Amino acid sequence: GAVVSQHPSRVICKSGTSVKIECRSLDFQATTMFWYRQFPKQSLMLMATSNEGSKATYEQGVEKDKFLINHASLTLSTLTVTSAHPEDSSFYICSARDRSGGRTDTQYFGPGTRLTVL
Amino acid sequence: KNEVEQSPQNLTAQEGEFITINCSYSVGISALHWLQQHPGGGIVSLFMLSSGKKKHGRLIATINIQEKHSSLHITASHPRDSAVYICAVSSGGNQFYFGTGTSLTVIP
Repeated sequence: GAVVSQHPSRVICKSGTSVKIECRSLDFQATTMFWYRQFPKQSLMLMATSNEGSKATYEQGVEKDKFLINHASLTLSTLTVTSAHPEDSSFYICSARDRSGGRTDTQYFGPGTRLTVL
Repeated sequence: KNEVEQSPQNLTAQEGEFITINCSYSVGISALHWLQQHPGGGIVSLFMLSSGKKKHGRLIATINIQEKHSSLHITASHPRDSAVYICAVSSGGNQFYFGTGTSLTVIP
C-alpha cells in the first residue's frame, strides 16, 4: 500500500532554534498534504493544508509565521517550527492525499515526529 | 459536542478476547478511517471505508451509514494489539474530524 514517511521521527532542540520536519509520499503523488498536531492524551488537530505549488491554508489559531509549510514537489512537504519554545513540544503528523485513482479521500498518514523543545 | 465520539475511552482485555471499539459521528461523511497509534506515537492507517465491512487479518471494520456508526473488531487479541485506536471521518474536501481515541491494553 501507499506509504508516507516523516523525518526525523524524534527531535530534541533548544528553545529559540528552528526545526524542519519532512513529509514524503513514497510511491504516489500527493497534491495535498495535511499537517496535524497532537498534544498528550488529546486528539489530532489539523494545523494546515498544504497544496503543491501554492501557499498553505492554515487553520484558525495556527500562526503561519511560526509554522512554515512548504510543498515544493508532489512528494514532499516540509513543516518548519521557527524559534521553537517548550510549548511547541508535541507530536506532529502529516498525511498525504492520493488522487491518482480519482478518489478524493484516500489519505495516508505518516508515522509522526516527536518534537521536544528544551 | 464532538463530531466524532468513540467508546470506550479505555479498554483492558485478556489475551485471546474479542474486542470491539465503537465510533459514532454526527456529520455527513465521505469516508471513515480507523488509525492505530502505538506507544511512542507512530500512526498506522488500518482501514478506510465508506460502506459495508472490511477485513485485514484479525481486524474487522464495519460501518453503518444510516446509523452513523462504525465498529472496529479485533479477534483473538494479543498484547501487541495494545495501542490507541483512533476513528476519523472525512466530510469531503479537506475537512477531517478525529475521535479522542480508545486506549487498548491486552494483558498476556
